[in-house]
Amino acid sequence: NAGVTQTPKFRILKIGQSMTLQCTQDMNHNYMYWYRQDPGMGLKLIYYSVGAGITDKGEVPNGYNVSRSTTEDFPLRLELAAPSQTSVYFCASSPRRGAAQYFGPGTRLLVL
Amino acid sequence: GQQVMQIPQYQHVQEGEDFTTYCNSSTTLSNIQWYKQRPGGHPVFLIQLVKSGEVKKQKRLTFQFGEAKKNSSLHITATQTTDVGTYFCAGAYSGGGADGLTFGKGTHLIIQP
Repeated sequence: NAGVTQTPKFRILKIGQSMTLQCTQDMNHNYMYWYRQDPGMGLKLIYYSVGAGITDKGEVPNGYNVSRSTTEDFPLRLELAAPSQTSVYFCASSPRRGAAQYFGPGTRLLVL
Repeated sequence: GQQVMQIPQYQHVQEGEDFTTYCNSSTTLSNIQWYKQRPGGHPVFLIQLVKSGEVKKQKRLTFQFGEAKKNSSLHITATQTTDVGTYFCAGAYSGGGADGLTFGKGTHLIIQP
């Protein structure tokens, strides 16, 4: 099993550009999450999903969108990138609510 | 919403010294989990504690869950350079939202050789 995979590993965006961060898991987990982590800081939940077709906002959803058309994939869309979105983005999955979460390697995003 | 407070934010130790990080919740947890993030890496699940007063060990790491299920600690004996990283606790709550876990802000462990 590959676990949770994320692409790209690193990306530089110009202000106002858009992009999609990809996340795929092969563990058949229903729950998936997107976090952002600023340098030296903790994890902030952006969006989460409890199953295909169901998504909900986390703590910091503004400027982002998600979709969950399959169990495996949970892409995160950034519209009109801003310097404040410079961060490391982690995707995670879990078999059920409150269970251990398994993180992908992250995407480092720099918005200039 | 629920909050999990974690202290200290940073801890400098000499190699070979012990290290402890603490987590506290204002409300009862259904379980607490601990994660380790190496510099430049991603959080990795270490352990889950479920029962009141539970103590678990992983080699030099000892994890405790308080009797009231509101606090937890991670203790590392005789730190090594491989222990460097950030340790996060994450609390799970019964009921409430579906977002699963509430993460503490983490403790950065810095080891001086």
